[in-house]
Amino acid sequence: GAGVSQTPSNKVTEKGKYVELRCDPISGHTALYWYRQSLGQGPEFLIYFQGTGAADDSGLPNDRFFAVRPEGSVSTLKIQRTERGDSAVYLCASSLQQGLGTGELFFGEGSRLTVL
Amino acid sequence: GESVGLHLPTLSVQEGDNSIINCAYSNSASDYFIWYKQESGKGPQFIIDIRSNMDKRQGQRVTVLLNKTVKHLSLQIAATQPGDSAVYFCAENFSGGYNKLIFGAGTRLAVHP
Repeated sequence: GAGVSQTPSNKVTEKGKYVELRCDPISGHTALYWYRQSLGQGPEFLIYFQGTGAADDSGLPNDRFFAVRPEGSVSTLKIQRTERGDSAVYLCASSLQQGLGTGELFFGEGSRLTVL
Repeated sequence: GESVGLHLPTLSVQEGDNSIINCAYSNSASDYFIWYKQESGKGPQFIIDIRSNMDKRQGQRVTVLLNKTVKHLSLQIAATQPGDSAVYFCAENFSGGYNKLIFGAGTRLAVHP
C-alpha cells in the first residue's frame, strides 16, 4: 500500500520483556515520527528522525525506550524491560520534508501494545 | 478494536446540521495548528491546518477559526454526515521546522441520522 505501515498491529507481552515495533514510512518521506497514544488521550510525541538521525528524542519517557532508522527509511522502536504503564498505541507518522506547514503528517494505524 | 476516546467529551448532532468543535491550546508561542480526525482503530487523519498569521481558513465543508487572544481554535463542519463521526483532535506546533505536535484531549463527534 501507499500509506505508512506498522507491524505488528497488536502485541501482547509480559512485564519485563523486550519488544520491537516496526514502521515503514511512505516512500520518499525523509521525516519520520513516533507518537504514543494512551486510551482516551491525544497522541504524545516521542521522537523525530530526519533521514537516519534522531533529530529530537526529547519525548522518549526514559532510557528503556530507543528507536533507530539505520537506512533512512524503516524505523524500529525498541522497548526494554516493559512495564504495564507502557501499554498504549504506538503511532508512526511520516512527512515529505521538514518545514513548518509544509510537511503534512501521514499516520499509520498504530501498533497496540499490551503489557500484562 | 480498541475505542479511541472512551472518556472524551461528546458532541451529538443530527445529520445535516453544522458542527462546531472547540479547542483551547496551551502555548502562546505556537504558530501552526492542525485539526485531525481519528476513527476507531485508525491513526489520525489530517483535516485542515492554519498558521498563526491567519484567523480563518476554509476547506471543503470545514472551516478553522483561530483566536490567538484567548488561545482558542475551533473546527466547523458544514452539513455534518454520518461519515464525520469520529474523535477530533486539535494540535499545535511551536518547534519550528518539523512536526513536533502537541495534541489536545479530543472531542468525540456523534452524528445521528
